[in-house]
Amino acid sequence: KQEVTQIPAALSVPEGENLVLNCSFTDSAIYNLQWFRQDPGKGLTSLLLIQSSQREQTSGRLNASLDKSSGRSTLYIAASQPGDSATYLCAVPPSGGYQKVTFGTGTKLQVIP
Amino acid sequence: DTGVSQDPRHKITKRGQNVTFRCDPISEHNRLYWYRQTLGQGPEFLTYFQNEAQLEKSRLLSDRFSAERPKGSFSTLEIQRTEQGDSAMYLCASSLVQGANYEQYFGPGTRLTVT
Repeated sequence: KQEVTQIPAALSVPEGENLVLNCSFTDSAIYNLQWFRQDPGKGLTSLLLIQSSQREQTSGRLNASLDKSSGRSTLYIAASQPGDSATYLCAVPPSGGYQKVTFGTGTKLQVIP
Repeated sequence: DTGVSQDPRHKITKRGQNVTFRCDPISEHNRLYWYRQTLGQGPEFLTYFQNEAQLEKSRLLSDRFSAERPKGSFSTLEIQRTEQGDSAMYLCASSLVQGANYEQYFGPGTRLTVT
């Protein structure tokens, strides 16, 4: 059974700081890994998707890396802004494709102005 | 708006009542997923459809839960005889299975409160 862990559970940083969020998974037989953002009481917004054959993906100030063999992914946020405050979730489908996707419990980020 | 939509956004019901939620996926997407999310947790997979076929159901989906996607477009999730433990956010997502691209797009969710 796939287990996904995100550390830390919560993080508070001053505006402008660079930060790293971590996602660990127990079964390396994954199809891809997707990072999401969730604002309070809202649905999930896709940030980045890394295919299992890729090492990293970048979008603006966000960079996600994937190390399948060690079961880890990191989401790097550069020059954090108050608007980045949200919960960040990683999601891992099994190698057979998008059937039962397993989500982590998330990292709640607060960026202080 | 061409994203995933869900209706209603909020539902308050008394224990024992039946409720039904609707999800309209992105129009060309052939897969549709239902998840449940409780406070402080990540979404938990409930079930998914490939077109109109329901291909997998989680053990979380008890006999009181039923989901349909009759014409391969919108989907409904019904909960019968609601219990307080059913209180959660119910999220719908869709994706287009095309080659190696399985990216999921989520709706805003339906928040259910059972009193």
